[in-house]
Amino acid sequence: DTGVSQDPRHKITKRGQNVTFRCDPISEHNRLYWYRQTLGQGPEFLTYFQNEAQLEKSRLLSDRFSAERPKGSFSTLEIQRTEQGDSAMYLCASSFTADEQFFGPGTRLTVL
Amino acid sequence: GQQLNQSPQSMFIQEGEDVSMNCTSSSIFNTWLWYKQDPGEGPVLLIALYKAGELTSNGRLTAQFGITRKDSFLNISASIPSDVGIYFCAGPWNAGNNRKLIWGLGTSLAVNP
Repeated sequence: DTGVSQDPRHKITKRGQNVTFRCDPISEHNRLYWYRQTLGQGPEFLTYFQNEAQLEKSRLLSDRFSAERPKGSFSTLEIQRTEQGDSAMYLCASSFTADEQFFGPGTRLTVL
Repeated sequence: GQQLNQSPQSMFIQEGEDVSMNCTSSSIFNTWLWYKQDPGEGPVLLIALYKAGELTSNGRLTAQFGITRKDSFLNISASIPSDVGIYFCAGPWNAGNNRKLIWGLGTSLAVNP
C-alpha cells in the first residue's frame, strides 16, 4: 500500500536559507492539501490543489512560500529566506472523495 | 481563525477503562472526522461521519454525529496502551471544492498499563 509520503522527514536549516519539501499523494487522489502544525495546535490550512491547479492559498502563506503540483502528481512546498517562526511540522494530505483527507508523516522543520 | 472546541484537553486513565471525548462548534458541519496523531507523525483518520445522528464504529472506537450538527463524540472502549496519542476532531469548512479542514486543539490521552 502506498499512502501519502513526504520527504524529508526532518530538516534543520539556518535562518535565511531556502528549503523545499516534497509530497507524493495517494496515486488516484486529485486533491492535495498542505497544512502547518505547531506544538499544541491542530493543523492549519496553507494551500489546496485540485489536479495541477492551485485553487486557494491561506493568508498564512506569505510571499516567501510557494507551492507547485506539476502534472497533478507530486507537490513541492518551498520556503525562501526561512525565519525562526517557520519552524513547524509541515503536513501534506490528499483526498479523492470530498471530505476524507489522508495525511503523510510530515516534515519537521527547525530553523536555527 | 475558526476552530473547533474539544474536551477534555487531556485524560489519564487506567488500561481497560472506557474513554469519552467530544467536539463542539458554533457552526453547523455536514461532516465530522476523527483523527489520531502520534508524536512526530501525521494524523491518521479513524472515523468519518456524514449524517446527523449517525453512529459509526471502527473496532473499539465509536463516534457519533450530533443531531444539531454542531457536535460530535468519540468513545474508546477497553483502552490499551497503544491508544496513547492525541485525538483530533476536524470538519471541512468550505462549501466549494476546497474542503480545507478546521481542527480542534486535540485531546491528549495517556493510558497507564
